[in-house]
Amino acid sequence: DAGVIQSPRHEVTEMGQEVTLRCKPISGHDYLFWYRQTMMRGLELLIYFNNNVPIDDSGMPEDRFSAKMPNASFSTLKIQPSEPRDSAVYFCASSKGTVGTGELFFGEGSRLTVL
Amino acid sequence: SQQGEEDPQALSIQEGENATMNCSYKTSINNLQWYRQNSGRGLVHLILIRSNEREKHSGRLRVTLDTSKKSSSLLITASRAADTASYFCATDRGSGNTPLVFGKGTRLSVIA
Repeated sequence: DAGVIQSPRHEVTEMGQEVTLRCKPISGHDYLFWYRQTMMRGLELLIYFNNNVPIDDSGMPEDRFSAKMPNASFSTLKIQPSEPRDSAVYFCASSKGTVGTGELFFGEGSRLTVL
Repeated sequence: SQQGEEDPQALSIQEGENATMNCSYKTSINNLQWYRQNSGRGLVHLILIRSNEREKHSGRLRVTLDTSKKSSSLLITASRAADTASYFCATDRGSGNTPLVFGKGTRLSVIA
């Protein structure tokens, strides 16, 4: 089992540029989550999907952030335009079964630096 | 918003000693989970304890849950240098199916 796969692992960009982060969940998992991790705020839930449908996006900080899940094996998190305060590690995680009660499987994260 | 809060923020011990980390949370829960994160890596699930359980063991890990105090503890016995990592507790919110909310973690350093 390949686990949750995220790309890119590292991204350095300049303020104002568009950033797209990608995630491939574990096959057969019906929940996909995007989290953001910073030293100041810890691990924050941004959005999560169930069977490719967004369920709760209340954690998305601003309209500059958007997420899609066009099929069961792929999701993107887009930031446009990016700002220095978006610098963080973004994690994708997937799980199976009822949300909140099952084990989350995390990817290795995408470390974003916005200059 | 944060549901769980770990204590201490950082802990440094000698190899072979036991490490205890605590987690407090605010609302009722269905379950509480502990995760581990090595530097520069993703989080890895360690153990889940349900709200009707008081204690659970897995290898060198022992987790307790006190729902009356809204707190949990993670004990790692006979620690090893390889246990050096950050440890996070995560909870749901107890009211229906809600996603996990994580604390800020405890950074554990085990010195050989």
